[in-house]
Amino acid sequence: SYELTQPPSVSVSPGETASITCSGHILGDTFAYWYQHKPGQSPILIIFQDTQRPSGIPERFSGSNPGNTATLTISGTQPMDEADYYCQAWDATSVVFGGGTRLTVL
Amino acid sequence: EGQLAESGGGLVQPGGSLRLSCAASGFTFSSYAMSWVRQAPGKGLEWVSAISGSGGTTYYADSVKGRITISRDNSKNAVFLHMNSLSAEDTAVYYCAKDHGRFGDVPLDAFDIWGQGTMVTVSS
Repeated sequence: SYELTQPPSVSVSPGETASITCSGHILGDTFAYWYQHKPGQSPILIIFQDTQRPSGIPERFSGSNPGNTATLTISGTQPMDEADYYCQAWDATSVVFGGGTRLTVL
Repeated sequence: EGQLAESGGGLVQPGGSLRLSCAASGFTFSSYAMSWVRQAPGKGLEWVSAISGSGGTTYYADSVKGRITISRDNSKNAVFLHMNSLSAEDTAVYYCAKDHGRFGDVPLDAFDIWGQGTMVTVSS
């Protein structure tokens, strides 16, 4: 089965830009999705179809997927953005999640 | 917008069985595929299973194949996860999640609505 690789942790200062990568060969053939997950809460979809934001998701969240590596970018990071972030993709008949990245806003 | 509410979690002995339920509201349930996703303590998200809107297509993660069955009752707006031969490795919060639905009722899209989760603990 395919794997998606994310850095375990990323740190950023408030107001700066955070970038979280997700690497995997499958991303060259399928869409990447991103979720934000805070402790004690349910995951929230923040990016679908590589670059699209669902309604209600702030514009500071953006995504890209040029092939094999997808990136979630948070511009002007706020303290409320501190959370775990997961990438996800479909591998024909199964779902693959990345291992997750803990974003710390120092 | 839609809401999902899981139930049925609890403490079960190794080798035991459990049935989780997920009640849906606020959207046309039969038009959307549904999935179950779990998170073990201190671990990341792991997809478990998916079912199409009609119920005619089901998918399973290799780690649960043969032990877990997903089903749905569109007349009751509910999806279920039947779990057998449970082990400590199945201990997790189990979430049900709605498919975004851009590709019809087949499971193939993002998960745009999640329930609050139900805890399953497998321990003697």
